[in-house]
Amino acid sequence: QQQVKQSPQSLIVQKGGISIINCAYENTAFDYFPWYQQFPGKGPALLIAIRPDVSEKKEGRFTISFNKSAKQFSLHIMDSQPGDSATYFCAAGAGGSNYKLTFGKGTLLTVNP
Amino acid sequence: DAGITQSPRHKVTETGTPVTLRCHQTENHRYMYWYRQDPGHGLRLIHYSYGVKDTDKGEVSDGYSVSRSKTEDFLLTLESATSSQTSVYFCAISYQLNTGELFFGEGSRLTVL
Repeated sequence: QQQVKQSPQSLIVQKGGISIINCAYENTAFDYFPWYQQFPGKGPALLIAIRPDVSEKKEGRFTISFNKSAKQFSLHIMDSQPGDSATYFCAAGAGGSNYKLTFGKGTLLTVNP
Repeated sequence: DAGITQSPRHKVTETGTPVTLRCHQTENHRYMYWYRQDPGHGLRLIHYSYGVKDTDKGEVSDGYSVSRSKTEDFLLTLESATSSQTSVYFCAISYQLNTGELFFGEGSRLTVL
């Protein structure tokens, strides 16, 4: 059972455009929703994260929008740059004594110059 | 750099041979994780540890075992490697209790012929 569904699988955007990646989850116990960025040959790195008590979080050009009732969250990259080209993973986690994250399958973003 | 070292970084082995991957951290953190990354599957949790000698299974634990005899080291063992275990393996650590903020190593690429 795939608990976090991510779309699209790949995305091509022109420099300066907006990149949008969407995720949907099923488990209502999830209370932490991070996005990870991964460059080729490197491990994923935390980009931005949100908890369900807010509907939006912005850090620089990166924004997470969260819709609790729809069980969906999305990553928006404003003014996309070629250096943003990477694979992006959404994830969801539930609290407790043994914290674990469930990841989406990833989106390969290519920003053309 | 979160003080995580994975070894070996690359390994080619034959079906049926045992393989051990090592994750070493210098940060003395309690939580450690092993994920595998495969095209089309994203990141999937194999095993995790919440303390010395305290480990538990993730979603794809069959064919893998782990050990943690010291805080700084988390070993992943494939007792008898199969071609389906060809993958990139990532170790991660969690800095804080009850959060999903993971810091990943640079990965170990394993090829099973």
